[in-house]
Amino acid sequence: DSGVTQTPKHLITATGQRVTLRCSPRSGDLSVYWYQQSLDQGLQFLIQYYNGEERAKGNILERFSAQQFPDLHSELNLSSLELGDSALYFCASSARGPSSNYGYTFGSGTRLTVV
Amino acid sequence: GENVEQHPSTLSVQEGDSAVIKCTYSDSASNYFPWYKQELGKGPQLIIDIRSNVGEKKDQRIAVTLNKTAKHFSLHITETQPEDSAVYFCAASIEGSGGSNYKLTFGKGTLLTVNP
Repeated sequence: DSGVTQTPKHLITATGQRVTLRCSPRSGDLSVYWYQQSLDQGLQFLIQYYNGEERAKGNILERFSAQQFPDLHSELNLSSLELGDSALYFCASSARGPSSNYGYTFGSGTRLTVV
Repeated sequence: GENVEQHPSTLSVQEGDSAVIKCTYSDSASNYFPWYKQELGKGPQLIIDIRSNVGEKKDQRIAVTLNKTAKHFSLHITETQPEDSAVYFCAASIEGSGGSNYKLTFGKGTLLTVNP
Protein backbone atom coordinates (compact mmCIF):
# COMPACT_ATOMS: atom_id res chain seq x y z
CA ASP A 1 0.00 0.00 0.00
CA SER A 2 1.58 3.24 -1.21
CA GLY A 3 -0.54 5.46 1.03
CA VAL A 4 -2.26 7.11 -1.95
CA THR A 5 -5.84 5.87 -2.26
CA GLN A 6 -7.78 6.00 -5.49
CA THR A 7 -11.42 5.07 -5.94
CA PRO A 8 -13.01 3.41 -7.73
CA LYS A 9 -10.51 0.87 -9.08
CA HIS A 10 -12.61 0.13 -12.14
CA LEU A 11 -15.31 2.12 -13.89
CA ILE A 12 -17.33 1.20 -16.94
CA THR A 13 -19.59 3.84 -18.39
CA ALA A 14 -21.25 4.84 -21.63
CA THR A 15 -20.26 7.56 -24.05
CA GLY A 16 -21.62 10.96 -23.13
CA GLN A 17 -21.67 10.23 -19.43
CA ARG A 18 -19.84 11.97 -16.59
CA VAL A 19 -17.71 10.32 -13.93
CA THR A 20 -15.75 11.42 -10.88
CA LEU A 21 -12.49 9.86 -9.83
CA ARG A 22 -11.31 10.31 -6.27
CA CYS A 23 -7.85 10.49 -4.75
CA SER A 24 -6.67 10.71 -1.16
CA PRO A 25 -3.01 11.69 -0.97
CA ARG A 26 -0.44 10.20 1.35
CA SER A 27 -0.66 11.68 4.84
CA GLY A 28 1.21 14.97 4.98
CA ASP A 29 1.55 15.40 1.21
CA LEU A 30 0.24 18.72 -0.06
CA SER A 31 0.63 18.22 -3.82
CA VAL A 32 -1.65 16.05 -5.92
CA TYR A 33 -1.01 15.23 -9.56
CA TRP A 34 -3.30 13.54 -12.06
CA TYR A 35 -1.94 11.50 -14.96
CA GLN A 36 -3.60 9.62 -17.77
CA GLN A 37 -1.94 6.43 -18.96
CA SER A 38 -2.77 4.87 -22.29
CA LEU A 39 -0.86 2.26 -24.28
CA ASP A 40 0.22 4.61 -27.05
CA GLN A 41 0.73 7.84 -25.07
CA GLY A 42 2.38 6.65 -21.87
CA LEU A 43 1.92 8.76 -18.74
CA GLN A 44 0.45 12.11 -19.70
CA PHE A 45 0.31 14.88 -17.12
CA LEU A 46 -3.15 16.37 -16.66
CA ILE A 47 -3.13 18.75 -13.71
CA GLN A 48 -1.46 19.54 -10.38
CA TYR A 49 -2.86 20.97 -7.16
CA TYR A 50 -0.85 22.22 -4.23
CA ASN A 51 -2.62 22.81 -0.93
CA GLY A 52 -5.94 23.46 -2.63
CA GLU A 53 -4.69 25.64 -5.46
CA GLU A 54 -4.17 24.71 -9.09
CA ARG A 55 -0.45 24.90 -9.86
CA ALA A 56 0.03 23.48 -13.32
CA LYS A 57 -1.98 22.22 -16.24
CA GLY A 58 -0.94 19.77 -18.88
CA ASN A 59 -2.85 18.58 -21.91
CA ILE A 60 -6.09 18.36 -20.00
CA LEU A 61 -9.22 18.49 -22.13
CA GLU A 62 -11.84 21.15 -21.47
CA ARG A 63 -14.27 18.30 -20.72
CA PHE A 64 -12.09 17.39 -17.77
CA SER A 65 -11.79 19.32 -14.53
CA ALA A 66 -10.36 18.75 -11.09
CA GLN A 67 -10.24 20.23 -7.64
CA GLN A 68 -8.49 19.71 -4.34
CA PHE A 69 -10.52 20.06 -1.18
CA PRO A 70 -9.51 21.49 2.24
CA ASP A 71 -8.82 17.98 3.53
CA LEU A 72 -6.40 17.65 0.54
CA HIS A 73 -8.27 14.91 -1.25
CA SER A 74 -8.77 15.54 -4.93
CA GLU A 75 -11.39 14.70 -7.52
CA LEU A 76 -11.03 14.46 -11.28
CA ASN A 77 -14.26 15.01 -13.19
CA LEU A 78 -14.56 13.67 -16.72
CA SER A 79 -17.64 14.66 -18.72
CA SER A 80 -19.12 14.02 -22.17
CA LEU A 81 -17.03 10.88 -22.22
CA GLU A 82 -15.74 9.50 -25.51
CA LEU A 83 -14.36 6.08 -26.36
CA GLY A 84 -10.89 7.58 -26.53
CA ASP A 85 -11.06 8.57 -22.87
CA SER A 86 -10.72 4.92 -21.89
CA ALA A 87 -7.44 4.72 -19.98
CA LEU A 88 -5.83 4.30 -16.61
CA TYR A 89 -6.00 7.44 -14.51
CA PHE A 90 -3.37 7.80 -11.82
CA CYS A 91 -3.17 10.16 -8.94
CA ALA A 92 0.17 10.86 -7.30
CA SER A 93 1.09 12.91 -4.28
CA SER A 94 4.31 14.44 -3.05
CA ALA A 95 5.57 16.25 -0.02
CA ARG A 96 6.79 19.08 -2.17
CA GLY A 97 7.07 22.48 -0.71
CA PRO A 98 8.09 25.60 -2.55
CA SER A 99 11.76 24.70 -2.71
CA SER A 100 12.20 20.96 -2.71
CA ASN A 101 11.28 17.89 -4.67
CA TYR A 102 10.62 14.54 -3.11
CA GLY A 103 9.39 12.44 -5.97
CA TYR A 104 5.90 11.13 -6.44
CA THR A 105 4.00 8.37 -4.72
CA PHE A 106 1.41 6.93 -7.06
CA GLY A 107 -1.91 5.36 -6.26
CA SER A 108 -2.95 2.11 -7.90
CA GLY A 109 -5.07 3.90 -10.47
CA THR A 110 -8.64 3.90 -11.78
CA ARG A 111 -9.24 1.95 -14.96
CA LEU A 112 -11.91 3.77 -16.97
CA THR A 113 -13.64 1.96 -19.80
CA VAL A 114 -16.02 3.95 -21.98
CA VAL A 115 -18.37 1.79 -24.06
CA GLY B 1 8.04 22.17 -22.74
CA GLU B 2 10.18 19.26 -21.67
CA ASN B 3 10.37 16.18 -23.88
CA VAL B 4 11.78 12.87 -22.64
CA GLU B 5 12.74 10.09 -25.04
CA GLN B 6 13.29 6.58 -23.71
CA HIS B 7 14.95 3.57 -25.37
CA PRO B 8 14.51 0.72 -25.91
CA SER B 9 10.76 0.22 -25.72
CA THR B 10 11.24 -3.48 -24.96
CA LEU B 11 14.23 -5.32 -23.52
CA SER B 12 14.62 -9.03 -22.92
CA VAL B 13 17.56 -10.40 -20.91
CA GLN B 14 18.59 -13.64 -19.30
CA GLU B 15 18.55 -13.90 -15.54
CA GLY B 16 21.85 -12.71 -14.15
CA ASP B 17 22.62 -10.43 -17.08
CA SER B 18 22.67 -6.63 -16.89
CA ALA B 19 20.01 -4.35 -18.34
CA VAL B 20 20.48 -0.75 -19.44
CA ILE B 21 17.71 1.72 -20.27
CA LYS B 22 18.54 5.13 -21.71
CA CYS B 23 16.70 8.45 -21.70
CA THR B 24 17.33 11.83 -23.19
CA TYR B 25 15.68 15.10 -22.23
CA SER B 26 15.30 18.40 -24.02
CA ASP B 27 15.10 21.11 -21.34
CA SER B 28 18.55 21.99 -20.04
CA ALA B 29 16.92 23.48 -16.92
CA SER B 30 15.72 20.04 -15.77
CA ASN B 31 17.60 18.98 -12.67
CA TYR B 32 15.71 16.07 -11.16
CA PHE B 33 15.56 12.65 -12.81
CA PRO B 34 13.64 9.81 -11.16
CA TRP B 35 13.06 6.26 -12.38
CA TYR B 36 9.85 4.36 -11.76
CA LYS B 37 8.99 0.68 -11.94
CA GLN B 38 5.44 -0.34 -12.82
CA GLU B 39 4.28 -3.90 -12.27
CA LEU B 40 1.13 -5.23 -13.86
CA GLY B 41 -1.99 -3.79 -12.28
CA LYS B 42 -0.10 -1.39 -10.05
CA GLY B 43 0.89 2.24 -10.05
CA PRO B 44 4.46 3.31 -10.84
CA GLN B 45 6.86 3.04 -7.90
CA LEU B 46 9.92 5.23 -7.44
CA ILE B 47 13.06 3.07 -7.44
CA ILE B 48 15.89 5.58 -7.68
CA ASP B 49 16.43 9.22 -8.52
CA ILE B 50 19.31 11.53 -9.28
CA ARG B 51 19.82 15.26 -9.17
CA SER B 52 21.93 17.31 -11.52
CA ASN B 53 24.69 17.95 -9.01
CA VAL B 54 25.50 14.22 -9.01
CA GLY B 55 26.83 12.16 -11.90
CA GLU B 56 26.03 8.71 -10.59
CA LYS B 57 23.99 7.11 -7.85
CA LYS B 58 23.81 3.47 -6.82
CA ASP B 59 21.43 1.46 -4.69
CA GLN B 60 22.29 -2.22 -4.46
CA ARG B 61 21.73 -3.71 -7.94
CA ILE B 62 20.44 -0.53 -9.56
CA ALA B 63 22.38 2.55 -10.56
CA VAL B 64 21.63 5.70 -12.49
CA THR B 65 24.09 7.86 -14.41
CA LEU B 66 23.57 11.40 -15.64
CA ASN B 67 25.39 13.32 -18.35
CA LYS B 68 24.12 16.90 -18.21
CA THR B 69 26.18 18.05 -21.15
CA ALA B 70 24.65 15.45 -23.42
CA LYS B 71 21.28 15.66 -21.65
CA HIS B 72 20.94 11.96 -21.13
CA PHE B 73 20.62 9.62 -18.18
CA SER B 74 20.55 5.87 -17.87
CA LEU B 75 19.31 3.14 -15.56
CA HIS B 76 21.54 0.14 -14.99
CA ILE B 77 20.29 -3.06 -13.38
CA THR B 78 22.88 -5.71 -12.62
CA GLU B 79 22.35 -9.40 -11.82
CA THR B 80 18.79 -9.23 -13.08
CA GLN B 81 16.16 -11.45 -11.51
CA PRO B 82 12.72 -12.51 -12.81
CA GLU B 83 11.09 -10.15 -10.30
CA ASP B 84 12.78 -7.25 -12.08
CA SER B 85 10.38 -7.86 -14.98
CA ALA B 86 8.18 -4.78 -15.26
CA VAL B 87 7.76 -1.53 -17.18
CA TYR B 88 10.36 1.09 -16.29
CA PHE B 89 9.79 4.82 -16.79
CA CYS B 90 12.30 7.62 -16.70
CA ALA B 91 11.19 11.18 -15.96
CA ALA B 92 12.52 14.70 -15.67
CA SER B 93 11.50 17.87 -13.89
CA ILE B 94 12.77 21.17 -12.56
CA GLU B 95 12.87 21.53 -8.81
CA GLY B 96 13.59 24.35 -6.45
CA SER B 97 11.73 27.03 -8.35
CA GLY B 98 10.02 28.44 -5.30
CA GLY B 99 6.33 27.84 -5.71
CA SER B 100 6.25 26.83 -9.35
CA ASN B 101 4.97 23.47 -10.46
CA TYR B 102 6.99 20.29 -10.21
CA LYS B 103 5.34 18.19 -12.81
CA LEU B 104 7.27 15.22 -14.05
CA THR B 105 7.55 14.55 -17.76
CA PHE B 106 7.80 10.82 -18.37
CA GLY B 107 9.38 8.76 -21.08
CA LYS B 108 7.12 6.22 -22.79
CA GLY B 109 8.45 3.29 -20.82
CA THR B 110 10.54 0.17 -21.33
CA LEU B 111 9.07 -3.30 -20.90
CA LEU B 112 11.85 -5.35 -19.30
CA THR B 113 11.51 -9.12 -19.37
CA VAL B 114 13.97 -11.22 -17.41
CA ASN B 115 13.97 -14.83 -18.59
CA PRO B 116 14.79 -17.51 -16.00
